[in-house]
Amino acid sequence: EIVLTQSPDFQSVTPKEKVTITCRASQSIGSGLHWYQQKPGQSPKLLIKYASQSISGVPSRFSGSGSGTDFALTINSLEAEDAATYYCHQTSGLPLTFGGGTKVEIK
Amino acid sequence: EVQLVESGGGLVQPGGSLRLSCAASGFTFSTYAMNWVRQAPGKGLEWVASIVGSGVTTYYADSVKGRFTISRDNSKNTLYVQMNSLRDEDTAVYYCTKGEVGATMSDYWGPGTLVTVSS
Repeated sequence: EIVLTQSPDFQSVTPKEKVTITCRASQSIGSGLHWYQQKPGQSPKLLIKYASQSISGVPSRFSGSGSGTDFALTINSLEAEDAATYYCHQTSGLPLTFGGGTKVEIK
Repeated sequence: EVQLVESGGGLVQPGGSLRLSCAASGFTFSTYAMNWVRQAPGKGLEWVASIVGSGVTTYYADSVKGRFTISRDNSKNTLYVQMNSLRDEDTAVYYCTKGEVGATMSDYWGPGTLVTVSS
C-alpha cells in the first residue's frame, strides 16, 4: 500500500500569506497525485490533478508541484475562504490512498 | 453540469445490510469510472471501491473486500454499493465520485449519505 504523509497537520495563517502543504509518498507514484479541499459540512472539491494540472474554476492562487515521491500544494496570498482541510490522493496504485489531511485555519 | 446524488443511508445494526445508490447526470455515465469514498465522523477520507465504465472490472479496499459489492446500471445512470455484514467501523459518510475515462481520479463528488452502524 502506498502511504501518503502530509505535513503539517495543522497550520494557522494570516490572510495574504503564502501556504505550502507537502505530501510524501512511500514509493514513487510518478504524477498520479491529486489535491482536494474540504470545507466543514461539504464534500471534497478537486483543486489540482496529476500533481500540477490546474482545474477550471479553481482560483489561480492554488498550484501544485512535484513528481515521484515529493509533492506540494501552494496557496499564494491566502484568502479567508481558503479555511479548510486539504487532502492529497494517489491513483497510481491500488489500493487508492489519501493523505491524513492538513487543516488550514485563518488567524 | 455534473450532478451526483447519493441515497440509501441510515441506521443499521451490526451484521446488517444496506444498499446505497448514486444517481448521476450531466455526463455520459457509461464512459467514466466511478468510485465510492467514505469518511468516518471527524476522520479523513478512505477509498472504498471503484468500477470501470462498462462495469466489467471492480476494485475494493481490503477493509470491505468480500462484504461490499460495487455495481452500476448504465441504462439508469446509477451507481450502487451493496454493503453486507456491516461493522461499527463502517460508520461514515459515503461519497459517490466520478472518475475519468479509464482512470479512477475523482473529479466530482456527491454530497454524501450517512451510514450509521450501531445497535
